Amino acid sequence: DGGITQSPKYLFRKEGQNVTLSCEQNLNHDAMYWYRQDPGQGLRLIYYSQIVNDFQKGDIAEGYSVSREKKESFPLTVTSAQKNPTAFYLCASSKWDISGNTIYFGEGSWLTVV
Amino acid sequence: QQPVQSPQAVILREGEDAVINCSSSKALYSVHWYRQKHGEAPVFLMILLKGGEQKGHEKISASFNEKKQQSSLYLTASQLSYSGTYFCGTERLSSGSARQLTFGSGTQLTVLP
Repeated sequence: DGGITQSPKYLFRKEGQNVTLSCEQNLNHDAMYWYRQDPGQGLRLIYYSQIVNDFQKGDIAEGYSVSREKKESFPLTVTSAQKNPTAFYLCASSKWDISGNTIYFGEGSWLTVV
Repeated sequence: QQPVQSPQAVILREGEDAVINCSSSKALYSVHWYRQKHGEAPVFLMILLKGGEQKGHEKISASFNEKKQQSSLYLTASQLSYSGTYFCGTERLSSGSARQLTFGSGTQLTVLP
């Protein structure tokens, strides 16, 4: 089945550690995105990538880093510089067609700092 | 800039109707609607493009007033399965080739038996 796979589903991080969240898609979508969601709040864009080897900062990129070496993969690293990383992280992908730029989401990853 | 959604929360009885609004201060290219259950990924409902559109999906429909930069989601004869948080996402005309989707803070919809 085609879709977006995020891993791990749950992750605990000690303060001062970097962690990487994986995102893989087999939908042949050009664009990929990372969003952060805090409890009871909306989704905020961290980074997005329109093509391989290119990515742009979103609204809350500080303390995060990404890479896009392959079309299918868009991993997110939460660095120790991110002071409040506990949140639900959603990866998404999209492809332009006549209907517009429909974005599809993965199942999400819960990150907790302990 | 984040679109504004209203109301923040709605409680309905099964069979009742609801309207959720989304507005932006910027010129929009499109409006997207999603529903999210707690702890799950948002699920795509529909997209409305500039030019003024109205779409329907069974008992869920939406409209996009391009001049007012507003969109409304209509839920008719609500079912228990409609419960969740509804988000609108907007793409601005000024985004150029960078199609960023900015989400509102969500409307929590609860349908009671």
